[in-house]
Amino acid sequence: AQSVTQPDIHITVSEGASLELRCNYSYGATPYLFWYVQSPGQGLQLLLKYFSGDTLVQGIKGFEAEFKRSQSSFNLRKPSVHWSDAAEYFCAVGRGGTSYGKLTFGQGTILTVHP
Amino acid sequence: GAVVSQHPSWVICKSGTSVKIECRSLDFQATTMFWYRQFPKQSLMLMATSNEGSKATYEQGVEKDKFLINHASLTLSTLTVTSAHPEDSSFYICSAILAGGPSTDTQYFGPGTRLTVL
Repeated sequence: AQSVTQPDIHITVSEGASLELRCNYSYGATPYLFWYVQSPGQGLQLLLKYFSGDTLVQGIKGFEAEFKRSQSSFNLRKPSVHWSDAAEYFCAVGRGGTSYGKLTFGQGTILTVHP
Repeated sequence: GAVVSQHPSWVICKSGTSVKIECRSLDFQATTMFWYRQFPKQSLMLMATSNEGSKATYEQGVEKDKFLINHASLTLSTLTVTSAHPEDSSFYICSAILAGGPSTDTQYFGPGTRLTVL
């Protein structure tokens, strides 16, 4: 069975600083990988996804993630954090084949941004 | 972008009663919807997959007789928590896939429904 680990429960950064949120996955085949952001009162919003091809994926809001098969990782990065980025971030892996929509989520990382 | 709504956004009920939660795709048709459950400070866990016109498929460990799912149309799926108990209190989130294939489609999430069972 697949699993996702986000080692950092809570991260605090200063506005303007760079950000990296870690995600490690366990899956037997080529994974479908996702990063979502959850803000209070709002539904999960997709930041980016990886299915195949270029291992560096660009997403919305200036985020990017790099798929590293050798490390089973899909870390999310942003070069300069804005106060509006404060939220909870979830990494997820989708099952293969026709079950790609069935997602297994990591525990989430809460991002706090200091002015 | 595509919007998924849920109703109600929060509900409080007495133990033993049943509660229905609606999930609607507002501006697209979704042949497949998913229901997730999120406990406080924990991750989302997939409960079941809802397919229009067919029976839902449940994840291992999820009681299908307790969590009744109906996907009556391409824009509506409902989750009914039957004979609710305090341990059913949770945040229930639905999602819908805008079809287009695994490399192009996107799963859109509703804002969630907070259920509190007294």
